[in-house]
Amino acid sequence: AQSVAQPEDQVNVAEGNPLTVKCTYSVSGNPYLFWYVQYPNRGLQFLLKYITGDNLVKGSYGFEAEFNKSQTSFHLKKPSALVSDSALYFCAVRRYSGNTPLVFGKGTRLSVIA
Amino acid sequence: EAGVTQSPTHLIKTRGQQATLRCSPISGHTSVYWYQQALGLGLQFLLWYDEGEERNRGNFPPRFSGRQFPNYSSELNVNALELEDSALYLCASSLVTEAFFGQGTRLTVV
Repeated sequence: AQSVAQPEDQVNVAEGNPLTVKCTYSVSGNPYLFWYVQYPNRGLQFLLKYITGDNLVKGSYGFEAEFNKSQTSFHLKKPSALVSDSALYFCAVRRYSGNTPLVFGKGTRLSVIA
Repeated sequence: EAGVTQSPTHLIKTRGQQATLRCSPISGHTSVYWYQQALGLGLQFLLWYDEGEERNRGNFPPRFSGRQFPNYSSELNVNALELEDSALYLCASSLVTEAFFGQGTRLTVV
């Protein structure tokens, strides 16, 4: 079975500071990993994905994520946070093969304070 | 290119009624996923359709059902609505790896 853990319900960071939103996963076999962002009363927007290759992947709006196989983690990062980054962030995983859907974590609410 | 579209945006139903939610995927995408986002519960996987077939189903009762049409659009039906079915229902489409989401249908059961 696949699962995702986002250990922090809420992350607060000052504008201009670096931010990290944590994610660990569990899946048999090779994973596909994703980050999505959700603004109030909206659907999810795709930010970035890890399929294979470089462990550091870059995505939309200056976000990046680092895949760490030994720690089964895929933390989302941004060097300098903006107030407009305040939103709900979801990490998701699916198995590389087979009829398995995307499984999401419970989400982390990011609040960037001016 | 049009994204994933869902209709209606909002739906209010009475307990015991049936609700039908619709989803049009991105052109060329053959997979459609349905998720339920209830307050405080994150995204719960409901159903996955691909090439007209149901590929996987989440841990929901049989009164949650759906189908995928030949043009790959999809419909989610919820029978015998209960108050706890009130949630944002999200549809996503995918071709290979990442899924793209619609804006959702807010279902309120009163």
